[in-house]
Amino acid sequence: EPEVTQTPSHQVTQMGQEVILRCVPISNHLYFYWYRQILGQKVEFLVSFYNNEISEKSEIFDDQFSVERPDGSNFTLKIRSTKLEDSAMYFCASAQREQGAGAGYTFGSGTRLTVV
Amino acid sequence: DQQVKQNSPSLSVQEGRISILNCDYTNSMFDYFLWYKKYPAEGPTFLISISSIKDKNEDGRFTVFLNKSAKHLSLHIVPSQPGDSAVYFCAASEYSGGGADGLTFGKGTHLIIQP
Repeated sequence: EPEVTQTPSHQVTQMGQEVILRCVPISNHLYFYWYRQILGQKVEFLVSFYNNEISEKSEIFDDQFSVERPDGSNFTLKIRSTKLEDSAMYFCASAQREQGAGAGYTFGSGTRLTVV
Repeated sequence: DQQVKQNSPSLSVQEGRISILNCDYTNSMFDYFLWYKKYPAEGPTFLISISSIKDKNEDGRFTVFLNKSAKHLSLHIVPSQPGDSAVYFCAASEYSGGGADGLTFGKGTHLIIQP
């Protein structure tokens, strides 16, 4: 069964450093997403990406965050200058169609980001 | 600002019985609802969804009921099996019709199936 692959599974970084979280969505999917889950809290939407541009972003997705689909297979989330409160599990997801058409996302297993 | 609420952090059910997980929402613009299941150290897995034009959707042991007037939905699992033990997230979206909508998740309910 096709999978969404995320690397690394765990990343530790110092406050103020830049991190790039990588995702390989399912190959024929067109919609891409990043979500995060801070320990003990709910899963929160960060950003959606379609047709090589951001479709929607939440208040969390400020200027410190950016996304890219550099080569048609990878989908990356960059945090320019990490803060302690960025520590969370970051989930990438992809979908073949818009949600309203009946398709649920396929999520990756997540990258646990720890900022120290 | 909790637009999607799952008021039970955990639920314990005996194997073979029915599990009922509840979810309430406040945003009347939501028109598409989903349930995800999550095991530790894994991403959420899509289970079942329902459009606001329906009040019931069934897939095997899983049935989702939607009561729009009460802004309430529930997930029924019958019969419950040990492998159903996981965290269940309710999620909702506003279907814009043209873009990639983000989902709003509830905090999750940890379902424990007891033998």
